Amino acid sequence: NAGVMQNPRHLVRRRGQEARLRCSPMKGHSHVYWYRQLPEEGLKFMVYLQKENIIDESGMPKERFSAEFPKEGPSILRIQQVVRGDSAAYFCASSETGANYGYTFGSGTRLTVV
Amino acid sequence: GENVEQHPSTLSVQEGDSAVIKCTYSDSASNYFPWYKQELGKGPQLIIDIRSNVGEKKDQRIAVTLNKTAKHFSLHITETQPEDSAVYFCAARAGSSGDKLTFGTGTRLAVRP
Repeated sequence: NAGVMQNPRHLVRRRGQEARLRCSPMKGHSHVYWYRQLPEEGLKFMVYLQKENIIDESGMPKERFSAEFPKEGPSILRIQQVVRGDSAAYFCASSETGANYGYTFGSGTRLTVV
Repeated sequence: GENVEQHPSTLSVQEGDSAVIKCTYSDSASNYFPWYKQELGKGPQLIIDIRSNVGEKKDQRIAVTLNKTAKHFSLHITETQPEDSAVYFCAARAGSSGDKLTFGTGTRLAVRP
């Protein structure tokens, strides 16, 4: 079992470019969560998805950010027109039947906007 | 929504001593409380969890206690070792607002050899 796979591990983008972060959940897991972690800070919830559905996007900024989890393929977190304040570690987690059974986190994507 | 507070933010102990990290939560409907360990440059790893129908759970040197009345839960690490040095996060499932976990702000634990 390869665990939760995130790629790329590191991503550098210039201001105004687009960033695409990918997450493949653990085999058998149908729930995906995205969190953002700023340096020396905690994990802030962004969005919770199941296959082809966004369940809770209450933590997503209203503009420039979007997420999807298609029927086939990985979940994608997309950030358009990146700004320096988007620099952070973005973690994806998956679970089998929802949060009551805990998450398995990926190793994260560290986004740097220059 | 759920709010989780965690203390202390940093903790330094001598190897072999115990470490205690405390968290409080706001949503009385919360029913699941995991603890995660995050090492530098890595993703958080689940180390222990507790559900609201029990008051204490132990796994070797790690134990978690839950006081539902006071809405707080704690992580206890005994006989600390240098490899326990990491950032620890508590979390609570927001029972009234879906399946997401709300995390505390983290405790940076340093174990001095």
